[in-house]
Amino acid sequence: GAGVSQSPRYKVAKRGQDVALRCDPISGHVSLFWYQQALGQGPEFLTYFQNEAQLDKSGLPSDRFFAERPEGSVSTLKIQRTQQEDSAVYLCASSLYGFEQYFGPGTRLTVT
Amino acid sequence: AQRVTQPEKLLSVFKGAPVELKCNYSYSGSPELFWYVQYSRQRLQLLLRHISRESIKGFTADLNKGETSFHLKKPFAQEEDSAMYYCALISGGSEKLVFGKGTKLTVNP
Repeated sequence: GAGVSQSPRYKVAKRGQDVALRCDPISGHVSLFWYQQALGQGPEFLTYFQNEAQLDKSGLPSDRFFAERPEGSVSTLKIQRTQQEDSAVYLCASSLYGFEQYFGPGTRLTVT
Repeated sequence: AQRVTQPEKLLSVFKGAPVELKCNYSYSGSPELFWYVQYSRQRLQLLLRHISRESIKGFTADLNKGETSFHLKKPFAQEEDSAMYYCALISGGSEKLVFGKGTKLTVNP
């Protein structure tokens, strides 16, 4: 079946613009995760949903970052007033139960 | 705080040679440990996890709680093993992964 998909794959934003990144998890997967991966670094946790409930948002770096999953399926990560330090690859992952997370291809965000 | 350390950013070996990618972690409880791999132009995928005790693509990893290590080993490296490898942990009560910075493995012909 289809894996986790993310759109857009690439996004260039001017500093100060708002962006919205979309994640389509594997159908039926309860848990959904967002990670941020800066160049040369490992992925870092941002936030986590179980169905539509956001259970952990401890990794969101500032209040400019906001994530939602209103119907417990598709999720959107929104970044307001983008800054250069937001440039990174944003990874989405989903899992059914337990610990195996399936990752999407990522969205590469470049803020100029 | 939970932390995963991969001391080698780059590792280069010849085909057929043994390879060991190091991973150390800091966590006071009993974490679940994983190795993820990212081949060129592909997405991050699970290679193995310590609770399953499987050997995937010839790779094994043993959890050493005394040394807080989870090193990844393969006795005979292949060129197709060239990839980025990430060690990660999940702590009890959470599902979020904590990753190391990764090791880029290059297997030369």
